[in-house]
Amino acid sequence: GQNIDQPTEMTATEGAIVQINCTYQTSGFNGLFWYQQHAGEAPTFLSYNVLDGLEEKGRFSSFLSRSKGYSYLLLKELQMKDSASYLCAVADSNYQLIWGAGTKLIIKP
Amino acid sequence: DVKVTQSSRYLVKRTGEKVFLECVQDMDHENMFWYRQDPGLGLRLIYFSYDVKMKEKGDIPEGYSVSREKKERFSLILESASTNQTSMYLCASSPMTSGRPQNTGELFFGEGSRLTVL
Repeated sequence: GQNIDQPTEMTATEGAIVQINCTYQTSGFNGLFWYQQHAGEAPTFLSYNVLDGLEEKGRFSSFLSRSKGYSYLLLKELQMKDSASYLCAVADSNYQLIWGAGTKLIIKP
Repeated sequence: DVKVTQSSRYLVKRTGEKVFLECVQDMDHENMFWYRQDPGLGLRLIYFSYDVKMKEKGDIPEGYSVSREKKERFSLILESASTNQTSMYLCASSPMTSGRPQNTGELFFGEGSRLTVL
């Protein structure tokens, strides 16, 4: 079957760095997405990786290793507003998105 | 500012009632989706549509139907609501990319409709 794994919850300190991991097993691969979802709000797009390597976008970076079925989202200089759930999703061979359950990130002062 | 609007943020219905959830997007996107989001689970696709009057079943279509009469509007219908359909329902849209209707690209989500079925 198809599966996306990510930690349920993580805690980090304001100003620090945190890495949220995502591992996947899917039938085919057509890209990996990260979305941010604040409590009670809509998910919003953060990043898309289809080739191996690191994509940097301001304080957020996303890494992909297709051979390992692995990605991470790196958040630097954490701010209180980064407290949210982070959703990992993989597009399979039919371009359908398979979603992880999300990682709830708690930022402490 | 791009927008996906869902008609109701919160609904409470009784078992057996017919429920309509409406979604409108103003971005002229070809693709529209209905997901449900439950604690501890990833988003699960109910139905999607890549063109007017077109619809495709997702992973969990049982107990649901959809309607897309206009490009900007995608409706989710629960013919006879049951308690196990209590959930958060998220609508999303995306442009067609690379000429493939299935290639979703970035999804734009509405703020969700929280449905409670008693």
